[in-house]
Amino acid sequence: GENVEQHPSTLSVQEGDSAVIKCTYSDSASNYFPWYKQELGKGPQLIIDIRSNVGEKKDQRIAVTLNKTAKHFSLHITETQPEDSAVYFCAASRASGTYKYIFGTGTRLKVLA
Amino acid sequence: KAGVTQTPRYLIKTRGQQVTLSCSPISGHRSVSWYQQTPGQGLQFLFEYFSETQRNKGNFPGRFSGRQFSNSRSEMNVSTLELGDSALYLCASSGGTIYEQYFGPGTRLTVT
Repeated sequence: GENVEQHPSTLSVQEGDSAVIKCTYSDSASNYFPWYKQELGKGPQLIIDIRSNVGEKKDQRIAVTLNKTAKHFSLHITETQPEDSAVYFCAASRASGTYKYIFGTGTRLKVLA
Repeated sequence: KAGVTQTPRYLIKTRGQQVTLSCSPISGHRSVSWYQQTPGQGLQFLFEYFSETQRNKGNFPGRFSGRQFSNSRSEMNVSTLELGDSALYLCASSGGTIYEQYFGPGTRLTVT
């Protein structure tokens, strides 16, 4: 069935370092890949997304890359700051006639000051 | 623009009872999806409504149901509550021609 694997489950980095979170999806029909940040007591917040016709997208300190052949996509955060500490989720969707997302299991990122 | 709102934010129910949760999407959004979030299972898709019609459904028992009104507000209902239904229930809304979903803060349901 549809599945999204996400690694690592926890990640600790020093402030200013980079963080990379990786996801692999199983449904080859997936064509939309969002990333969400969830802080304690809040709902997930969309931080960046990528569509299957694009290999890379960047927004300030965050970037996402997509390898459709390998069914891999990754989130890259550069120059990490303490406020980046949160749980990050990747998701995959067919985005055709439905908004059903399959989520990864989440990565708890800790940025150490 | 106001974001997605969910009420109530917290709820405590007893096993066997039923519960109704409410979601108001972003103005102009016609799609509302519901997700269940638990530490063990993560974020799982419950169902999606678009223009008052259920467009997709996840793998949850029939005790979980929903509906959408003509103003796009949505409710989900869980009957005969079980301890395992304790979770954060998240609602997300989407516009008609965009891929993005925007989540509300969730309703924390505790079943005792």
